[in-house]
Amino acid sequence: EPEVTQTPSHQVTQMGQEVILRCVPISNHLYFYWYRQILGQKVEFLVSFYNNEISEKSEIFDDQFSVERPDGSNFTLKIRSTKLEDSAMYFCASSDRGNEQFFGPGTRLTVL
Amino acid sequence: DAKTTQPTSMDCAEGRAANLPCNHSTISGNEYVYWYRQIHSQGPQYIIHGLKNNETNEMASLIITEDRKSSTLILPHATLRDTAVYYCIVRGYFGNEKLTFGTGTRLTIIP
Repeated sequence: EPEVTQTPSHQVTQMGQEVILRCVPISNHLYFYWYRQILGQKVEFLVSFYNNEISEKSEIFDDQFSVERPDGSNFTLKIRSTKLEDSAMYFCASSDRGNEQFFGPGTRLTVL
Repeated sequence: DAKTTQPTSMDCAEGRAANLPCNHSTISGNEYVYWYRQIHSQGPQYIIHGLKNNETNEMASLIITEDRKSSTLILPHATLRDTAVYYCIVRGYFGNEKLTFGTGTRLTIIP
């Protein structure tokens, strides 16, 4: 059964450093999303992406964040200058027709 | 986005049916009811969704009241692996619409 994959599973970085979180959505899916979950808190929407452009972004998704689909398979989330409060689980999701979203296993980002 | 209300936690005996309620009294006519679950810290998992008719798939059944102001997710024969946080989410059908997660119901299956 096809699934969304994410790498790395755990990323540790120093405050102020740039990180890139990678996702491989399910093949032939057209809609892509990033969510995050701070430990013990709700899952929060960050951004949705369709047809090579951002469809919607939340207030969390400020100028420090960017997304890219550099080729036909990868979908990346970049944080330019990490802050302590960026520590969270980051989940990528994809959807074919936009109804059910399939989530990856997540990347745990720890900012020191 | 319409809001949903769910009990904070529920217990269910293994092998019994787990019935998880959700209130969504402000749902609008073109919004669907979605159910997801999150096992420990894994990525949320899609379970089922519906508009106004009852729905069933291999995982669960979804019963939506006629006025659409509430729904119930039914896991027919709960197993220990069904222990998770269950989220009821109201969402439009457009592809790029986000999911807005609440705090959900923490379901614990008791052996």
